[in-house]
Amino acid sequence: GAVVSQHPSRVICKSGTSVKIECRSLDFQATTMFWYRQFPKQSLMLMATSNEGSKATYEQGVEKDKFLINHASLTLSTLTVTSAHPEDSSFYICSARSTGRREEQYFGPGTRLTVL
Amino acid sequence: GQNIDQPTEMTATEGAIVQINCTYQTSGFNGLFWYQQHAGEAPTFLSYNVLDGLEEKGRFSSFLSRSKGYSYLLLKELQMKDSASYLCAYMDSNYQLIWGAGTKLIIKP
Repeated sequence: GAVVSQHPSRVICKSGTSVKIECRSLDFQATTMFWYRQFPKQSLMLMATSNEGSKATYEQGVEKDKFLINHASLTLSTLTVTSAHPEDSSFYICSARSTGRREEQYFGPGTRLTVL
Repeated sequence: GQNIDQPTEMTATEGAIVQINCTYQTSGFNGLFWYQQHAGEAPTFLSYNVLDGLEEKGRFSSFLSRSKGYSYLLLKELQMKDSASYLCAYMDSNYQLIWGAGTKLIIKP
């Protein structure tokens, strides 16, 4: 089956620092990757849609200058949380959509970010 | 519009059957998904329905009625490990998933 990895799985950082999260599709090509954020006991919230080779599309209310997304290849997308603050502490999950089948979307295991 | 609703929480007994309903309203539709999410983990895929009817996969079944904007996930022979949140989501005309808030299922012995 299709596998999506995320790195790191857990990160603790100081307020004001930047954190980069990688999302990789390991055995398939993903033209589109999605970045979600999930706060405790809440549902997934789509932050942005990332297409390979083009700028990401951000959802309303998500600051594109704070959450930098790069999708440089068909197997890798990165999310950088710049100048992180405690309110950015959350569970960040990526998902990747197979190039050939748009209805198939596979989730990474998530990254738990804690900003002190 | 992009409306999707499911109950917030349900409780069931080990060994029993539980049905989790999901209703949605959308002008563009490319299928209905169910995911399972354990606390602190990412969602895992359970089922995908794009045509009306019942899809059975082991202890789990999923039903879709497109005309009614209605789906349900049926879990049989409940086990304690089935305690989790169950998320329904429809795929819109842009092939983007629109998520429900999730149903927390509590299984009691």
